Amino acid sequence: SQTIHQWPATLVQPVGSPLSLECTVEGTSNPNLYWYRQAAGRGLQLLFYSVGIGQISSEVPQNLSASRPQDRQFILSSKKLLLSDSGFYLCAWSVGGADEKLFFGSGTQLSVL
Amino acid sequence: SQQGEEDPQALSIQEGENATMNCSYKTSINNLQWYRQNSGRGLVHLILIRSNEREKHSGRLRVTLDTSKKSSSLLITASRAADTASYFCATDPQGAQKLVFGQGTRLTINP
Repeated sequence: SQTIHQWPATLVQPVGSPLSLECTVEGTSNPNLYWYRQAAGRGLQLLFYSVGIGQISSEVPQNLSASRPQDRQFILSSKKLLLSDSGFYLCAWSVGGADEKLFFGSGTQLSVL
Repeated sequence: SQQGEEDPQALSIQEGENATMNCSYKTSINNLQWYRQNSGRGLVHLILIRSNEREKHSGRLRVTLDTSKKSSSLLITASRAADTASYFCATDPQGAQKLVFGQGTRLTINP
């Protein structure tokens, strides 16, 4: 069966420090991968999505970047965190195609202080 | 920009009552999905309804879709305390390779 791993669960980082969040998927090949951010009590904002290795689409200009070095690995990064980068980050995958549904990781709560 | 908007933003009912949440969207879609999120966790897919479908059932869940009004509703019958969560609708605008989520409805079931 397919599983998605996202870590860490919580992270507290100082302003100006780098960031690396990792997400891996098991049990499927060539998934579509997504990074979403959720502000407290709000909906999800799509940050990046990828339909294949090295293929990254950015939805919102910001202080973050994403990479997909392997088929089932998706990394969210920042060189220098801002206070506004705080939030709940969710990784998700889908098989693509019509009627695709997303499978989410357990999320990372990032606090930038 | 957000595609889906849920209504109400928050809903509190007694256990055993039915809960109805609504979602409106702006552009033509291929399908509409509903997700559930427990506090501090990832989202879990509940149900998908295609644009050519008008109603769909899954256990205690009933989803309707009115493409002429660009709206959908999620009904949870005989609610339980364990149904307490946030519920989100998500749409895939035609031509887009992504799901766009609404702001969600926070549902509280009081025992």
